[in-house]
Amino acid sequence: AQSVTQLDSHVSVSEGTPVLLRCNYSSSYSPSLFWYVQHPNKGLQLLLKYTSAATLVKGINGFEAEFKKSETSFHLTKPSAHMSDAAEYFCARSSNTGKLIFGQGTTLQVKP
Amino acid sequence: DGGITQSPKYLFRKEGQNVTLSCEQNLNHDAMYWYRQDPGQGLRLIYYSQIVNDFQKGDIAEGYSVSREKKESFPLTVTSAQKNPTAFYLCASSIDRFNQPQHFGDGTRLSIL
Repeated sequence: AQSVTQLDSHVSVSEGTPVLLRCNYSSSYSPSLFWYVQHPNKGLQLLLKYTSAATLVKGINGFEAEFKKSETSFHLTKPSAHMSDAAEYFCARSSNTGKLIFGQGTTLQVKP
Repeated sequence: DGGITQSPKYLFRKEGQNVTLSCEQNLNHDAMYWYRQDPGQGLRLIYYSQIVNDFQKGDIAEGYSVSREKKESFPLTVTSAQKNPTAFYLCASSIDRFNQPQHFGDGTRLSIL
């Protein structure tokens, strides 16, 4: 089955400390992978995407993610959290039907 | 700037009433999608369209209908058959079905009076 699992429903960090949001996927092949961010009452904004080029992908706002095929993971990181990073984050993967498959989301809280 | 416009931002429906949510894009994308978002459940696909005059059911199509008469427009009707319509609805588009990523509008929040 093609699925996406976000391992934490809620992550809390202090401002200025690193962020790690975890995402695992299941697939019989290497899919395209995406991270999106959603602020309250807004749509999803693409942070970054992996499409079988470099395994370390840099995105907007200082975020990056590393594709690890052996671990079927695509974790999102940022060296130093800002208050403005507080939001909901979604990991997603492509599928062989052309649909995007989303994880359940991770709420990132940033404490001052 | 190109993008996706959803309207209205907030919508209220009376019991037994159909309502239509608007989604317009000027990105020249072939594929368009409708998602429903409920707290703690992520995004669930309602309908998608790969090209004008064609659309397919997603995972939760019951109680919803769509049309795709123009490339730019993909309206979603929430019918009275949808028993629990209160949710946040997101429209998205992509170049085509196999060329992601999807770009999203800012959503419509539907509530029942």
